[in-house]
Amino acid sequence: GENVEQHPSTLSVQEGDSAVIKCTYSDSASNYFPWYKQELGKGPQLIIDIRSNVGEKKDQRIAVTLNKTAKHFSLHITETQPEDSAVYFCAASNAQNYGQNFVFGPGTRLSVLP
Amino acid sequence: DAGVTQSPTHLIKTRGQQVTLRCSPISGHKSVSWYQQVLGQGPQFIFQYYEKEERGRGNFPDRFSARQFPNYSSELNVNALLLGDSALYLCASSSGGGGYTFGSGTRLTVV
Repeated sequence: GENVEQHPSTLSVQEGDSAVIKCTYSDSASNYFPWYKQELGKGPQLIIDIRSNVGEKKDQRIAVTLNKTAKHFSLHITETQPEDSAVYFCAASNAQNYGQNFVFGPGTRLSVLP
Repeated sequence: DAGVTQSPTHLIKTRGQQVTLRCSPISGHKSVSWYQQVLGQGPQFIFQYYEKEERGRGNFPDRFSARQFPNYSSELNVNALLLGDSALYLCASSSGGGGYTFGSGTRLTVV
């Protein structure tokens, strides 16, 4: 089955700096890669996603890149703000015939220091 | 628009008891999934339902079961609770084949 690894487990950056979180996956059949942000006491919130037919996607300060050959994808946050502090999870899935389950990475705790 | 709603938000059960968790998806979403999140870990897939049919099952024992109703709401049942079942149980919904929206979860504590 699919296995998703995520690094680093914790990341501290100064406000205004960039943050990068990297994930690798094992199943070449995976075709959808979402990123979720989870704040304390809340459920995960989808912040950006990418499909296997796309190499890069950007949404304001957030971007995701995908390297299918190497089976890794990364989250890039620029101009970080204190409200970006949270736990971030990457996930991989193979969506077929409306059947879809995500395999999540173990998470990265991001702290943005003012 | 209402998001994914889960009830109850918290509950405490004793070992050996049974529990039922409930989920209402976003209006128009026909796919519902359940995940278990142990403290400090990523969510683990339990079940997925689409149009009231089970479409996927994770590596959980038969003590875990679920169903989806005609209005697309869903219940997760756990029998013979163990201490290790203590976790945040998340429900997520999707229109199908894309990103899932998660609810805030039900925090289950087994004592």
